[in-house]
This record gives sequence, structure tokens and C-alpha cells, in this order.
Amino acid sequence: AQSVSQHNHHVILSEAASLELGCNYSYGGTVNLFWYVQYPGQHLQLLLKYFSGDPLVKGIKGFEAEFIKSKFSFNLRKPSVQWSDTAEYFCAAPNQAGTALIFGKGTTLSVSS
Amino acid sequence: SQTIHQWPATLVQPVGSPLSLECTVEGTSNPNLYWYRQAAGRGLQLLFYSVGIGQISSEVPQNLSASRPQDRQFILSSKKLLLSDSGFYLCAWSENRGDGYTFGSGTRLTVV
Repeated sequence: AQSVSQHNHHVILSEAASLELGCNYSYGGTVNLFWYVQYPGQHLQLLLKYFSGDPLVKGIKGFEAEFIKSKFSFNLRKPSVQWSDTAEYFCAAPNQAGTALIFGKGTTLSVSS
Repeated sequence: SQTIHQWPATLVQPVGSPLSLECTVEGTSNPNLYWYRQAAGRGLQLLFYSVGIGQISSEVPQNLSASRPQDRQFILSSKKLLLSDSGFYLCAWSENRGDGYTFGSGTRLTVV
């Protein structure tokens, strides 16, 4: 069965620091991969997605993620975080049947100004 | 444009009472609909999904059920709530199975 692993439970950074959040999925077939973000008190919203093509995808607010098929990874990056990036981040991939998304346990990012 | 509505926003229910959470989507037809439960440190757990009216798939056996009486309406129910049913319930929709989801604002359920 598909599973999605996020290695960092809580990350604490200072403003302007670089960010990388790890995400690994287990099912090696064709996958669409997603990162979602949940700002405090707000809905879950899509940050970026990978369907095919260029393995480096860019999302909103300066975030990007790189799909590395050989490593089953889809890590999220941002060169310089801001206080407003404080949020919970979820990686997601389809289940093996392709019927629904499976989410990782989430990473809480706290950015201090 | 498409919108998703989920209510109520918060709910406090006694153990053993019934539950009905409603989710509706506007501005699209035949959406794929999903119910998730979010628990701190445990991510989002898929509960049910539906690809059409009356078509419900359950991912995790538990004290809950789902129904889709209309194309854009998805209901999460329970006949008798347990303490363990407390949590944050999210409804989501997508146009196609492989697409990203749009989530509702969620319902915080506390069973006392």
C-alpha cells in the first residue's frame, strides 16, 4: 500500500534561513505528488504539485519541490523563509489504486523574526 | 468559480448521540468527494471517498458512515458517537482523481 513519510515533525528556523522538508512515498508507479500548506486558522491549500515533465516544480510564495524518482522523494524547499511561512506542511500522493490522496503526518514550521 | 461549504464549524456532542456533518460543492458537476479526519501529529486520515451519487468507498472501518444523496452533497454520519470520534473533519473535492483537492474549512467535533 502507498504510504507517505515526512521526516521532520517540527522545524524551527530564523527568518532568511533556507528550508528543506523531506517527503518520501512508497509506491513506485506513476504518481502525482503534492504539497499542501495550512496556515494558522486557515484552510488547507495547495502549495504545488508534480504531474510529469520537469522534476523541479515551482509553487506559490517562492516554494519549490524536486521529484527524484530513484529516491522516491519529493522534498520541499525555499531559499529564504519568512515569518509568514509559519504553518503546517503536508506532502501527499495517490493511494495505490489512484482513488484518493494519502497524506503524510505533516511538518510544523515555526519561523522566528 | 467552484466553492466548497462545510458545516457546522464546531460541534460538541455527548457520547452515544448521532452525528451528521454536511459538505456541499458549488460550481461544478460530478465532483469526486472525500472525507478526511485530521489529528495533531497524525496527518490526514482518509475516511471515505465518492466518485458519484450513491457510490461510497470506505477506507477505514470505524463508527462512521458516509452518504451522497445528491451530486454535490456529501454527508458524514454516525448513529452513536464514541469519545474516539473527536477530531477535525475535513471535506474535499476534486474534478478528477489525480487532481489536487480543494478543502473545506473543517468541523471540529468534540465528543464528551
